[in-house]
Amino acid sequence: KQEVTQIPAALSVPEGENLVLNCSFTDSAIYNLQWFRQDPGKGLTSLLLIQSSQREQTSGRLNASLDKSSGRSTLYIAASQPGDSATYLCAVSNNDMRFGAGTRLTVKP
Amino acid sequence: EAQVTQNPRYLITVTGKKLTVTCSQNMNHEYMSWYRQDPGLGLRQIYYSMNVEVTDKGDVPEGYKVSRKEKRNFPLILESPSPNQTSLYFCASTRFSTRGELFFGEGSRLTVL
Repeated sequence: KQEVTQIPAALSVPEGENLVLNCSFTDSAIYNLQWFRQDPGKGLTSLLLIQSSQREQTSGRLNASLDKSSGRSTLYIAASQPGDSATYLCAVSNNDMRFGAGTRLTVKP
Repeated sequence: EAQVTQNPRYLITVTGKKLTVTCSQNMNHEYMSWYRQDPGLGLRQIYYSMNVEVTDKGDVPEGYKVSRKEKRNFPLILESPSPNQTSLYFCASTRFSTRGELFFGEGSRLTVL
């Protein structure tokens, strides 16, 4: 059974810092990996989707990488802003979809 | 606007009183799914549907029912709610099974007293 782990569980940084969130998974036979953002009490918003054949995807200040062989993905956020404060979840799909527990990010002004 | 719509967004009910949480998507997606999110346990799948009239159990199906009579709708039914079903529920859809981008509804916060 696929297990998805996100470390750290929480992260606090000053505004303007570049940061990396980590996601690891145990079964490398995946279709894709997706990163989501969740604000408190809200739904999940898709940030980036990386297909299994891809190595990375970029959207604005966000860059996500995928290394299937090592079972790892990273989400890089450049020049962080207070508005980036949220919980970030990764999800891995093969025959079903498995979510990590998330990293709660706080960006301090 | 492409979206997944859930109703109600907030509900407080009592043990044993049947309720239905509706989910509708306007993207012609084949795959729809229900999740519950609990502190410390993350997102867990309740039921999913690969297409009309095709549904299957996820990780935590006990106490829930679903139906998929139309492509756009996937209601979640709690026949006899219990306090351990107090949770935040999400409906999601994607175009092709688990291979596509997953779109989520805004969530339905259910409290069972």
